[in-house]
Amino acid sequence: NAGVTQTPKFQVLKTGQSMTLQCAQDMNHEYMSWYRQDPGMGLRLIHYSVGAGITDQGEVPNGYNVSRSTTEDFPLRLLSAAPSQTSVYFCASSQQGKQPQHFGDGTRLSIL
Amino acid sequence: GESVGLHLPTLSVQEGDNSIINCAYSNSASDYFIWYKQESGKGPQFIIDIRSNMDKRQGQRVTVLLNKTVKHLSLQIAATQPGDSAVYFCADERGSNYKLTFGKGTLLTVNP
Repeated sequence: NAGVTQTPKFQVLKTGQSMTLQCAQDMNHEYMSWYRQDPGMGLRLIHYSVGAGITDQGEVPNGYNVSRSTTEDFPLRLLSAAPSQTSVYFCASSQQGKQPQHFGDGTRLSIL
Repeated sequence: GESVGLHLPTLSVQEGDNSIINCAYSNSASDYFIWYKQESGKGPQFIIDIRSNMDKRQGQRVTVLLNKTVKHLSLQIAATQPGDSAVYFCADERGSNYKLTFGKGTLLTVNP
């Protein structure tokens, strides 16, 4: 059972480039979410989805887009990367109406 | 503003001692609390959770205590081992859609 899988594990971008961070889960979880983790800031919610076709904004959504076309996948898109988006990004999933959320091992993103 | 925070950013203990990690919250509407462990280079890993209708919950070597009167949450680790060295995060769920708000984390170091 793979759980939550994030790809890539590391990425370096130039300012203005676009990129999609992939997240997939094989637990048939309805709820999925994206967080960013910065030093001294804890984890902050970017976007979340309660099921296929439904997404909503979290605490820090600006500069990021998401879509949820299937239950398994929840990609996060950076349309025009900025240095302020340098961070570690975590995807999580859980059964609808239940905690806890299960996290992937993250994507470490650097934007120059 | 409302937040979930920690009293101490670092904690150093001797192997075999008991560890106590504290967390304060300010949102009286929070009804679910959770502790995660994060090892270097990994995603957060669920440890234990508690709902607001309880004041204590025990797991294997871990206990979470909730004091709603003073809005305080603690994680107790019995017989701390070197493998317990990690950053520990508390988080709370407030409102709908299972969104978690994380504290900044406490680094636990276990000395052999």
